Amino acid sequence: AQTVTQSQPEMSVQEAETVTLSCTYDTSESDYYLFWYKQPPSRQMILVIRQEAYKQQNATENRFSVNFQKAAKSFSLKISDSQLGDAAMYFCAYRSAKIGKLTFGTGTRLQVTL
Amino acid sequence: DTGVSQDPRHKITKRGQNVTFRCDPISEHNRLYWYRQTLGQGPEFLTYFQNEAQLEKSRLLSDRFSAERPKGSFSTLEIQRTEQGDSAMYLCASSTAEGIYEQYFGPGTRLTVT
Repeated sequence: AQTVTQSQPEMSVQEAETVTLSCTYDTSESDYYLFWYKQPPSRQMILVIRQEAYKQQNATENRFSVNFQKAAKSFSLKISDSQLGDAAMYFCAYRSAKIGKLTFGTGTRLQVTL
Repeated sequence: DTGVSQDPRHKITKRGQNVTFRCDPISEHNRLYWYRQTLGQGPEFLTYFQNEAQLEKSRLLSDRFSAERPKGSFSTLEIQRTEQGDSAMYLCASSTAEGIYEQYFGPGTRLTVT
């Protein structure tokens, strides 16, 4: 069974600084997708960024980028120029190319301070 | 394009009662997913549909849980004889069935069993 591990329950970053959230996963499959979702307090989950396992190039979306290390089964999220609105729970998620369900990690709560 | 909607947003019920939640997916999405999220945890997969067909059910989905998607549009999740351990946020998501098929989440239904 696939598992996703987020080892940082909480992180804090100052506004305008850069922060990296860690995620590791375990799978025996070679074709899969990885995602980072953001869940602000009392608000719905939104997709931040995605990565296809067959792509070597790391995904970027504006201030968000990932460091995808397939051999190490690592998928970290870097947030540059952090903003107050980035404060939220961040979940790393895995999906096999064969099946539809997402497997989530336990989340990292990101605080952004002035 | 409206997003995924869920009704009700909050439900308080007494132990032993039955409850039913509704999810309306994004209109062009033929896949619909149910997840459960307890406090401080990531969402856990419950079940998913492609059109009317229920393709996968988690072992978390005990006999007291049933989900339907009768016409391939909206879906209902029913919990019979609720227990205090059923208290959680129930999340619905939808996607297409092509390509990377990102899942878009609704706001969730928070269930409290007293």
